[in-house]
Amino acid sequence: QVQLVQSGAEVQKPGASMKISCKASGYTFTTYYIHWVRQAPGQGLEWMGVINPSGGSTSYAQKFQGRVTMTRDTSTSTVYMELSSLGSEDTAVYYCAREGIPMVRGVRSGLDAFDIWGQGTMVTVSS
Amino acid sequence: EIVLTQSPGTLSLSPGERATLSCRASQSVSSTYLAWYQQKPGQAPRLLIFGASSRATGISDRFSGSGSGTDFTLTISRLEPEDFAVFYCQQYLSSPRTFGQGTKVEIK
Repeated sequence: QVQLVQSGAEVQKPGASMKISCKASGYTFTTYYIHWVRQAPGQGLEWMGVINPSGGSTSYAQKFQGRVTMTRDTSTSTVYMELSSLGSEDTAVYYCAREGIPMVRGVRSGLDAFDIWGQGTMVTVSS
Repeated sequence: EIVLTQSPGTLSLSPGERATLSCRASQSVSSTYLAWYQQKPGQAPRLLIFGASSRATGISDRFSGSGSGTDFTLTISRLEPEDFAVFYCQQYLSSPRTFGQGTKVEIK
């Protein structure tokens, strides 16, 4: 079945970097955009950015510009999200999510909601 | 950035009752680019509604969405015990893809 499986929970120290993964299966990896969304404890959902798994292009929320890097490995159908200079405010569950409309010949064909979500990765930043 | 404001913050209802949740956008997102998600404790969000009124695959017809422009509504016709959760609206017209702050539907 179509699914996104994320890497396990992490504990990081302030100032460190983290890199979490999101492995896609059950569909053609390069056909759908992947987004990252985070949720601090007891808080709402915050969009971080998006990657095109076909060409690797990215777009990040301004809040994370300069601190976030999204990459992909087409050989393993995996997307990665790296966040640097971690602070306690980065303690959150991080989700990857698939945008529901497929690209056509590598080009975005429209805009859509997030139809498939990973299970989430809890990242705790603590000294 | 499009700001989405959801109301009420919390809705206390009994099973079998009707729930009406509101989402207001700071600028128009037409009727095409508004989604609703349900999130239960410890779980990832689940897509309920896209395009303001289209149910996602496998979603019960107890859930319905309506609205256009800047005002949207999610209605749960008859609450079942499994429906109690937090609900978020999201716009996907423009970047950043923003979410509302959520409405918690709790058992009264």
